[in-house]
Amino acid sequence: GQQLNQSPQSMFIQEGEDVSMNCTSSSIFNTWLWYKQDPGEGPVLLIALYKAGELTSNGRLTAQFGITRKDSFLNISASIPSDVGIYFCAGQEGSNQFYFGTGTSLTVIP
Amino acid sequence: NAGVTQTPKFQVLKTGQSMTLQCAQDMNHNSMYWYRQDPGMGLRLIYYSASEGTTDKGEVPNGYNVSRLNKREFSLRLESAAPSQTSVYFCASSEVGLSNQPQHFGDGTRLSIL
Repeated sequence: GQQLNQSPQSMFIQEGEDVSMNCTSSSIFNTWLWYKQDPGEGPVLLIALYKAGELTSNGRLTAQFGITRKDSFLNISASIPSDVGIYFCAGQEGSNQFYFGTGTSLTVIP
Repeated sequence: NAGVTQTPKFQVLKTGQSMTLQCAQDMNHNSMYWYRQDPGMGLRLIYYSASEGTTDKGEVPNGYNVSRLNKREFSLRLESAAPSQTSVYFCASSEVGLSNQPQHFGDGTRLSIL
C-alpha cells in the first residue's frame, strides 16, 4: 500500500510561533485532507483541499494543495497550547481509498 | 452530537480468542470504514462498506471479517486474534464511498492481544 511521507515527524515550538509541515507522495492526488488527533481520540478533520494550487484557511490554520498534486502543506500561525496533538495528512488518487501520512507530533511549550 | 460511536474502548484478548468490534454512526452516511493505527504508521484501511449491503477489502484485510448490519452499523470481527493485531482500531463514515468526501472518525478501540 501507499504511504505518504510527512515531515517533520515531530516539532517542539514556543507558544506564539508559527508552524509548517508538509506531506509528499509519489502519486498524483485529486484530494488532500488534513486531520488533527488528540490523545485518546479519533482524527478530526481540519481542512479539505480539492484543486491543485488551492489555498484554504480554517482560523489560524492554512493548507495548500501543491501545484504538482503530489504534495500538500499545513501552516499554523501564532500557536497556542491547545494546538498540541498529531497532525495527519491524507490523500486520494482517483476514486480510490485515502492514504494517510505517518503524522507530525506537535508540542507547544507555554 | 454522537457522530461515530465505537465499542468497546479498550479490550485485552489472549491469542486465539475471537471478538467483534462495534461501530455505529448517526449521520445517515452511506459509507463506513475500518482502519488500524500502529505506532509510526499512518492509518491503514482494513475493510470498507461503500453502501449498505456491500463490503470490500482495503489495504490490510487478512485476519479480519466485517459485517454491514444496516446503514448505521458496521462491525469488525477477529476470528482468531494474533499478537500482530494489537493496535488501535478506528471506524469512520462518509456520505459517499471512495469519493473525495472526508471521513468522520470515532474515538477508537485500543486492542491488546497477549
